[in-house]
Amino acid sequence: EVQLVESGGGLVKPGGSLRLSCAASGFTFSFYTINWVRQAPGKGLEWVSSISSSSDYIYYADSLKGRFTISRDNAKNSLYLQMNSLRAEDTAVYYCARLGLVGSTTVYYFDFWGQGTLVTVSS
Amino acid sequence: EIVMTQSPATLSVSPGERATLSCRASQSVSSNLAWYQQKPGQAPRLLIYGASTRATGIPARFSGSGSGTEFTLTISSLQSEDFAVYYCQQYNNWPPLYSFGQGTKLEIK
Repeated sequence: EVQLVESGGGLVKPGGSLRLSCAASGFTFSFYTINWVRQAPGKGLEWVSSISSSSDYIYYADSLKGRFTISRDNAKNSLYLQMNSLRAEDTAVYYCARLGLVGSTTVYYFDFWGQGTLVTVSS
Repeated sequence: EIVMTQSPATLSVSPGERATLSCRASQSVSSNLAWYQQKPGQAPRLLIYGASTRATGIPARFSGSGSGTEFTLTISSLQSEDFAVYYCQQYNNWPPLYSFGQGTKLEIK
């Protein structure tokens, strides 16, 4: 069974930092592009960042302005998101979400999602 | 940036009836469109990709159509478990900068 389990969320003060993790199981993690997608309370979905299977291709939403860094450790089947200079508007549930794979070709929709971890930025 | 606009924001339908949800892209995304269902307190679930292909395990009452800038998700006979929020998502950019619609809440009439 495919599983993505996020952790590391919590309460942090504005300007602070937090590191999120996503532990994968039930599939060959090193084959897949994985993303972070967030959802502010009562709001819609917002794509945050993407990292390819070998970390060769990394992309971020323009709105992040260099404050977040995505990384992965294929040996540990884990994805990370380092978040710095946090703002109140970063308050959200952060999901890790897998892009699909057809044969060896990545397809650009999210076929599995974790349950999310809540990040609250407040003084 | 491609902007996705969903309508209506809220749709009230009775169980057993048909629901039609719309999604419009600010520029053509070809057929590179997906639909997701999200229930309260749960993660989104992939329903449709390629505008019209059902994901694994998705019942046949869910169907998607459209291409270019206009897309539709139809649920042919609503079941109680279908009342949720639905999001469309385009994946036509390169480099990939995924954008979602703001969602349509499907509620019981």
